[in-house]
Amino acid sequence: QQQVKQSPQSLIVQKGGIPIINCAYENTAFDYFPWYQQFPGKGPALLIAIRPDVSEKKEGRFTISFNKSAKQFSLHIMDSQPGDSATYFCAASRGSARQLTFGSGTQLTVLP
Amino acid sequence: DAGVIQSPRHEVTEMGQEVTLRCKPISGHDYLFWYRQTMMRGLELLIYFNNNVPIDDSGMPEDRFSAKMPNASFSTLKIQPSEPRDSAVYFCASSWSRGDAFFGQGTRLTVV
Repeated sequence: QQQVKQSPQSLIVQKGGIPIINCAYENTAFDYFPWYQQFPGKGPALLIAIRPDVSEKKEGRFTISFNKSAKQFSLHIMDSQPGDSATYFCAASRGSARQLTFGSGTQLTVLP
Repeated sequence: DAGVIQSPRHEVTEMGQEVTLRCKPISGHDYLFWYRQTMMRGLELLIYFNNNVPIDDSGMPEDRFSAKMPNASFSTLKIQPSEPRDSAVYFCASSWSRGDAFFGQGTRLTVV
């Protein structure tokens, strides 16, 4: 019930491409879904987040699509750049504590 | 604010020794979380505090692990005795109630 499944494990795109990372969850009590970006040797950093009452949220080149009935959400990176090369984690949380249940991560490489 | 500060950044210790990891959360945050990151298990929540009180320690792997938060600006995670399988990157994060979690840079622990 607590698991968040993330795919793919790794992704390679050319500069300007649109990588898409998918996540699925089981626990319908989750009410907040953030995405974190992690560079080597650094801690995860919040990228963008969504609540289940909206189907899409866009911040700059990053867009989350959310399908509540399917219990799935995805991250799209528009006009990807080599600087976007990092590991991306989806997560789910609930309640006031917002303790995070993370997906397994996607290592993204954007080729110049 | 300097963000969440963790120390040390790297720790190498021998099996059986006591290890203490330290965290200074962002001032004003009332939640503090300890996460562990490994290749096998990904990012997993160990324990979290609210207003310095431990709320959920169900993620702590064994009795060898303990965490304290003596005041709002300091927390420790202790492993005694340490084992090679404890080798991982340990992250501290903090947040406001219903706020996003901000992570520290992590402590890379190696137990030999």
